[in-house]
Amino acid sequence: QVQLQQWGAGLLKPSETLSLTCAVYGGSFSAYYWSWIRQPPGKGLEWIGEIDHSGGTTYNPSLKSRVTISIDTSKNQFSLNLSSVTAADTAVYYCARDPYYDSSGNEVNWFDPWGQGTLVTVSS
Amino acid sequence: DIVMTQSPDSLAVSLGERATINCKSSQSVLYRSNNKNYLAWYQQKPGQPPQLLIYWASTRESGVPDRFSGSGSGTDFTLTISSLQAEDVAVYYCQQYYTTPITFGQGTRLEIK
Repeated sequence: QVQLQQWGAGLLKPSETLSLTCAVYGGSFSAYYWSWIRQPPGKGLEWIGEIDHSGGTTYNPSLKSRVTISIDTSKNQFSLNLSSVTAADTAVYYCARDPYYDSSGNEVNWFDPWGQGTLVTVSS
Repeated sequence: DIVMTQSPDSLAVSLGERATINCKSSQSVLYRSNNKNYLAWYQQKPGQPPQLLIYWASTRESGVPDRFSGSGSGTDFTLTISSLQAEDVAVYYCQQYYTTPITFGQGTRLEIK
């Protein structure tokens, strides 16, 4: 049973850098892609970006200039950095697993399972 | 970006009755080479992360009760709960994975009438 456990600072000031890490327990780490998704309080879901086991990344263009996703395969962990945060970045941030290919070899991008979520609040 | 629009925003259904949630994409998410719709559905209960219910528009994830079903093709999709149970109270999201950036609908809140 794969489990994702995430952690990071929950309170930031404007202009600081958000940093979160997600550890993967159980299952294969290298066979999947790994994503970050966020959810502002009371609102919907926004995909931030993803990384593969070799470090290849794809980012949402809306955040691309401020986002870095990295991976540490020796620890089965991946991380999110979001620079120059503002109040608009206040959200619950989730890490999630992306199969990237289904059993028939089709490229896919659905998310299962998810981490427990980390509320990050940006306030002066 | 593909915009996903769900309707209604909220829905109240009696226990044991059918619940229907719609999702419309701003462009087709049907990939003609494999005839698959790149559309997933999630359930999010209060204080929990979303949980995958359905992918390929109509394939239930392992362990998802068969009262949940997905249908549709191209730009119009539906999530149906055939007989609402108390534990189905949640917000439901559709998501397209036809192209990046991956995008979600705004969510539909399902309550008991």
